[in-house]
Amino acid sequence: AQTVTQSQPEMSVQEAETVTLSCTYDTSESDYYLFWYKQPPSRQMILVIRQEAYKQQNATENRFSVNFQKAAKSFSLKISDSQLGDAAMYFCAYRRGIYNQGGKLIFGQGTELSVKP
Amino acid sequence: EAGVAQSPRYKIIEKRQSVAFWCNPISGHATLYWYQQILGQGPKLLIQFQNNGVVDDSQLPKDRFSAERLKGVDSTLKIQPAKLEDSAVYLCASSFKLGQGRGDTQYFGPGTRLTVL
Repeated sequence: AQTVTQSQPEMSVQEAETVTLSCTYDTSESDYYLFWYKQPPSRQMILVIRQEAYKQQNATENRFSVNFQKAAKSFSLKISDSQLGDAAMYFCAYRRGIYNQGGKLIFGQGTELSVKP
Repeated sequence: EAGVAQSPRYKIIEKRQSVAFWCNPISGHATLYWYQQILGQGPKLLIQFQNNGVVDDSQLPKDRFSAERLKGVDSTLKIQPAKLEDSAVYLCASSFKLGQGRGDTQYFGPGTRLTVL
């Protein structure tokens, strides 16, 4: 069974600084996708970034980028120039690929990020 | 484009009572998911529909939970009777197609917070 682990329950960053959130996963499959979702207090789960396992290039979305280390099964999220609006719970998630009847997301426990002004 | 709609946003009931949640996915999305998010944890899939057929309900407590998606659009999730441990946020998500590249990104609704007393 696939598992996702986030070992940092809480993180804090100064506004305009950079922070990295860690995630490791376990799978025996080669076709899969990884995601970072943001959940603010409103509870709406918002997609931040996604990474296809077959792509070697790390995904980037504006101030958000990932460090995808497939052999180490590591998938960290870097937030640059942190803003007050980045404060939220961040979840790492795994999904099987289309050739494995992919569908459900398997989530980690989450990391609560606070941003100090 | 309207997002995933859910109602109610909050519900408080006594144990052994019944409750129902409603979800309206993004127009045209064939796949619909119900997740349960217990406080302090990541969401866990309860059931996944493709159109009006069930794809995965392996983690749905079928003795008390039921879900349907008539006509392949709206969906309802019911709990009968509720237990204290059912207190959680119930998230609905939808995606365009099952496992079809970027079209399978899951978009989440705002969730329903259930408190069982």
